[in-house]
Amino acid sequence: AQSVTQLDSQVPVFEEAPVELRCNYSSSVSVYLFWYVQYPNQGLQLLLKYLSGSTLVKGINGFEAEFNKSQTSFHLRKPSVHISDTAEYFCAVIMNSGYSTLTFGKGTMLLVSP
Amino acid sequence: KAGVTQTPRYLIKTRGQQVTLSCSPISGHRSVSWYQQTPGQGLQFLFEYFSETQRNKGNFPGRFSGRQFSNSRSEMNVSTLELGDSALYLCASSTRQGAEETQYFGPGTRLLVL
Repeated sequence: AQSVTQLDSQVPVFEEAPVELRCNYSSSVSVYLFWYVQYPNQGLQLLLKYLSGSTLVKGINGFEAEFNKSQTSFHLRKPSVHISDTAEYFCAVIMNSGYSTLTFGKGTMLLVSP
Repeated sequence: KAGVTQTPRYLIKTRGQQVTLSCSPISGHRSVSWYQQTPGQGLQFLFEYFSETQRNKGNFPGRFSGRQFSNSRSEMNVSTLELGDSALYLCASSTRQGAEETQYFGPGTRLLVL
């Protein structure tokens, strides 16, 4: 079975500062990796995904993530955050099994203050 | 295109009752998945449907059931509601089944069981 660990439940940061949200996964088979964002009272929106190829993945809203197979990590980064980035961020994996089943981490609340 | 729609958005029920939630996927999408989101357990997979067939099922009791219709719309039913069933229920749709397909989430149905 696979699992996802998001090491920080909450990350406070000042506006225009860089941020990194950490994600580690565990799986006995190859996986695909995702980051989703959830704004208050809304569903999940895909930020970016890694399926194969270049380990540096660029997503929407200036976010990027790097897949590190040896460290089984998929950390999310943004060089300069805005107040509007305040939201909960979820890292997720899908096993390369033909199914679409997402296994999520517990989430990281990003709090951006002026 | 219209996004994934879920009805109702909010629901209050009492213990022992049953409830049916509805999900209309994006036009042309044939795969629908359901997730339960609670503060304690986070996001957990319930079911995945493709072409009216349940393809995968999460670790939930038999009180949780679902189905998909020929127009790809999906419903999930919870019978004999318990307090612990209070949660945000999210539906996601994609064009086809498979990890490489982007899943688009609806805004969710917030269920409160009293």
